[in-house]
Amino acid sequence: KNEVEQSPQNLTAQEGEFITINCSYSVGISALHWLQQHPGGGIVSLFMLSSGKKKHGRLIATINIQEKHSSLHITASHPRDSAVYICAGLNYGGSQGNLIFGKGTKLSVKP
Amino acid sequence: DADVTQTPRNRITKTGKRIMLECSQTKGHDRMYWYRQDPGLGLRLIYYSFDVKDINKGEISDGYSVSRQAQAKFSLSLESAIPNQTALYFCATSLGQWYYNEQFFGPGTRLTVL
Repeated sequence: KNEVEQSPQNLTAQEGEFITINCSYSVGISALHWLQQHPGGGIVSLFMLSSGKKKHGRLIATINIQEKHSSLHITASHPRDSAVYICAGLNYGGSQGNLIFGKGTKLSVKP
Repeated sequence: DADVTQTPRNRITKTGKRIMLECSQTKGHDRMYWYRQDPGLGLRLIYYSFDVKDINKGEISDGYSVSRQAQAKFSLSLESAIPNQTALYFCATSLGQWYYNEQFFGPGTRLTVL
């Protein structure tokens, strides 16, 4: 069964701290999609990656295909980064590219 | 203007009522999806459509139906709403490149069934 597991489930940080959110996935998942869900509920796509590393502003996403693991890093965290971060695995197989979602990591950044 | 819109944004209805949630997109994507989100369970796929003539059941389709009226419009119906369908519903779209399925989400519809 294809699965995506995130850790930690909840994370509290002080403004300015470096933050890491982890995502592990099972066989059959060939790419990872990182999403951000704002406190109001809206979901924004952050990254989609199948190898290496991607960077956008203070956000960095990495993936290790051999270890079936991806990380989302936030540098110089800010209270506006407070959100739920969701990783989703892309299944190339029978579901023709549908996503398998983790349960999310709730991040709270304190000023 | 938002690329993916959903109406209504909030809806309170009673058990047994029929309700339709609508999704429209201006991204030109051929794939559209309906998800529901419940606390602690994450996003779960209800239905998905790869084009106007291709509609597929997702993980939790029981109690729901969909209609793809045009490439840009995908509606979700609850024929007879029940309280455990209270949830946050999201529509999403993506390009037809199955190997790079970055999805773009609408703002969500908060549905409460009393």
